[in-house]
Amino acid sequence: SQKIEQNSEALNIQEGKTATLTCNYTNYSPAYLQWYRQDPGRGPVFLLLIRENEKEKRKERLKVTFDTTLKQSLFHITASQPADSATYLCALPFYGNNRLAFGKGNQVVVIP
Amino acid sequence: GAGVSQTPSNKVTEKGKYVELRCDPISGHTALYWYRQSLGQGPEFLIYFQGTGAADDSGLPNDRFFAVRPEGSVSTLKIQRTERGDSAVYLCASSSRGGLSNEQFFGPGTRLTVL
Repeated sequence: SQKIEQNSEALNIQEGKTATLTCNYTNYSPAYLQWYRQDPGRGPVFLLLIRENEKEKRKERLKVTFDTTLKQSLFHITASQPADSATYLCALPFYGNNRLAFGKGNQVVVIP
Repeated sequence: GAGVSQTPSNKVTEKGKYVELRCDPISGHTALYWYRQSLGQGPEFLIYFQGTGAADDSGLPNDRFFAVRPEGSVSTLKIQRTERGDSAVYLCASSSRGGLSNEQFFGPGTRLTVL
């Protein structure tokens, strides 16, 4: 069966350090992968999209990698700040690109 | 600027009742999506509209769920004979066109509680 796995344990990290989150998937062959941020009581906010032919994508302090051989994406927040504290979701398209499947999300807590 | 809005923000109902949840997408966005999110889970796809038509409703869990988008803008998700298991946050998202390589803009959600 198809699965998207993100670490269920919250990541506690000291301000200024790099936070790294993992998204693993099985039985998918996505053409791209998206990362979203979600704050409590709010809808997800799109952050980055990376395509299968891109190894790495950057946006400000965010960096995403995509390894289609390992079936894994890594999401990095460099120089983390308390305002980065949120839940981060990875999402993949499937079934003819009409459906977006989300992982459970991984909570990040940046400690001042 | 105006984003995606959803009303009501909270809805408490009793088992067996009928509810309607409304989504106002970003003006001009042709694609509209409904998702359901339970506590500790990611959003789960329900239905996708391209314009007025439901291009993909395969995520609707059963025939108690129905959604419409009669004029290609506002959408309403309708749930008949609500059950306690329907309790969740219902999220709406829109994008400027279909295809999931396009950024989806999410609303704040409607928290539905079925007692």
